[in-house]
Amino acid sequence: DTGVSQDPRHKITKRGQNVTFRCDPISEHNRLYWYRQTLGQGPEFLTYFQNEAQLEKSRLLSDRFSAERPKGSFSTLEIQRTEQGDSAMYLCASSSGDRANEKLFFGSGTQLSVL
Amino acid sequence: AQTVTQSQPEMSVQEAETVTLSCTYDTSESDYYLFWYKQPPSRQMILVIRQEAYKQQNATENRFSVNFQKAAKSFSLKISDSQLGDAAMYFCAYRSAGYGGATNKLIFGTGTLLAVQP
Repeated sequence: DTGVSQDPRHKITKRGQNVTFRCDPISEHNRLYWYRQTLGQGPEFLTYFQNEAQLEKSRLLSDRFSAERPKGSFSTLEIQRTEQGDSAMYLCASSSGDRANEKLFFGSGTQLSVL
Repeated sequence: AQTVTQSQPEMSVQEAETVTLSCTYDTSESDYYLFWYKQPPSRQMILVIRQEAYKQQNATENRFSVNFQKAAKSFSLKISDSQLGDAAMYFCAYRSAGYGGATNKLIFGTGTLLAVQP
């Protein structure tokens, strides 16, 4: 098992461009989470999938953000019309099993810089 | 809404010594989970230890232990026999127990950067 994989590791884009990040969870993990982490802060929850269903979205996830998890495997996070305030590290995590014993496995994140 | 506060932005410890990282939280829920995560320079968050609020016994994982004070809403992490590899950012986190459709998200503090001096 190679763990949670995120691609790309770094992304530099110009303001107004669209970007898409990919997360490959640990195989057979049915839950997948996206978090955003800005410099000097802890991660902030963005959204959560159970299989292919998006069950929870944060108010942080404006209408410029969209996340999908087709077929309940990998997930993509797209940001349209990027703004400088979107610069952050985007973390993906996956888990399985019952909630009481849930253990999240995180990827190494995608660092986004919006110029 | 629940909040998590880490009041120590940075801490330093000598190798082989013991250090305690502080965390307080605020919640009106009676059942929840608390976590300490480690984030090394590689950026990958790693679970260090977890505590169920309904358990009075403090969790331990090898050199890592917690002091969970539910009434005081305090959850500190003690690292014994500190090693160079312990140097990292440490985050305290809270999660609802999930009854009645409660949120599944983790709420993180702002972190404590731990330096280990040789």
